[in-house]
Amino acid sequence: GQNIDQPTEMTATEGAIVQINCTYQTSGFNGLFWYQQHAGEAPTFLSYNVLDGLEEKGRFSSFLSRSKGYSYLLLKELQMKDSASYLCAVRDRNYQLIWGAGTKLIIKP
Amino acid sequence: NAGVTQTPKFQVLKTGQSMTLQCAQDMNHEYMSWYRQDPGMGLRLIHYSVGEGTTAKGEVPDGYNVSRLKKQNFLLGLESAAPSQTSVYFCASSQVRDFGANVLTFGAGSRLTVL
Repeated sequence: GQNIDQPTEMTATEGAIVQINCTYQTSGFNGLFWYQQHAGEAPTFLSYNVLDGLEEKGRFSSFLSRSKGYSYLLLKELQMKDSASYLCAVRDRNYQLIWGAGTKLIIKP
Repeated sequence: NAGVTQTPKFQVLKTGQSMTLQCAQDMNHEYMSWYRQDPGMGLRLIHYSVGEGTTAKGEVPDGYNVSRLKKQNFLLGLESAAPSQTSVYFCASSQVRDFGANVLTFGAGSRLTVL
């Protein structure tokens, strides 16, 4: 079967750096996405990786290793507004998105 | 620019009742989809459409039907609601499905409770 694994919950301190990991086993690979979802709201797009390496976008970076079936989302200079769930999703060989259950990130002052 | 609009936002049904969730997008997107989100689980695809007049089953289609008579609208129907269908439903659309970083734009969600 297809599977996306992420930690259920993480806690970090305002101003610090946090890394959220995602491992996947899917039928084929056509890209990996990270979405942010604040409580009670819709997911919003953060990043997309299709080739190995690091993609940087402001305070957020996303890394992909296709050979290891592994990605991480790196959040720097954490702010209270970063408290949210972070969803990892992989597009499989049929171009369907397979979603992880999400990582709830709690930021403490 | 409204993006993706879902109605209703909240709905309570009794077992066996029927209802339709409505989704409208104003971005001229070809691809539209319906997901459900349950605690501790990833988003699960119910049905999707790659263009006007076409629909296809996703991962969890049983108990649901869809229609896409107009490009901008995608309707999700529950013919006979069951408690297992209590969930938060999201409509999402994108320009296309299969190429590049086709980003999904989600509606605000519809919280459905079936008693």
